[in-house]
Amino acid sequence: GDSVTQMEGPVTLSEEAFLTINCTYTATGYPSLFWYVQYPGEGLQLLLKATKADDKGSNKGFEATYRKETTSFHLEKGSVQVSDSAVYFCALSMTGGGNKLTFGTGTQLKVEL
Amino acid sequence: NAGVTQTPKFRVLKTGQSMTLLCAQDMNHEYMYWYRQDPGMGLRLIHYSVGEGTTAKGEVPDGYNVSRLKKQNFLLGLESAAPSQTSVYFCASSMLQGLVVEQYFGPGTRLTVT
Repeated sequence: GDSVTQMEGPVTLSEEAFLTINCTYTATGYPSLFWYVQYPGEGLQLLLKATKADDKGSNKGFEATYRKETTSFHLEKGSVQVSDSAVYFCALSMTGGGNKLTFGTGTQLKVEL
Repeated sequence: NAGVTQTPKFRVLKTGQSMTLLCAQDMNHEYMYWYRQDPGMGLRLIHYSVGEGTTAKGEVPDGYNVSRLKKQNFLLGLESAAPSQTSVYFCASSMLQGLVVEQYFGPGTRLTVT
């Protein structure tokens, strides 16, 4: 079945450091890809998305590019802030069938001053 | 516009007790979902609904039942709670529009079964 693998955390960075969180997927077709963020004590919020190969999703300084050849959707940010501390989930969805999401296990990010 | 709301926020049950979690959305979304979140396992889909009066099983449906009698509400029931059902439960909804459909999540219900 479809699956998402993302790097384990926690990831601890200093403020203004560069962030990369790796995400790879396995799917039988051509999925849409998502990054969701969960701040402490809250539900998940969509951070960015991409629907086809070579699409780049971006939001709040975060970016991820849909790489079909490597089945990857790595999340990057050039300069993290303390307020970016959260858990980040990579997910995929196949068209139809209720638009269900398949999530990775999540990566906790902690940004320190 | 409240988005997706969940009731209750916290609950402690004894093994064998029953309860119902309520999810409500005011965005007129067709699709609704129930997930559970466990440490190191991400979110796993329990049941989902593609419209009023319809439900379908997700990845981990055993021990749960659901109902979607009204479009805006999606209920998750535990008939006989077990300690393995200790988790954080999230409801989500999405609209029927195009090929890429964002899901909107509620704040979660933390359930402990002792």
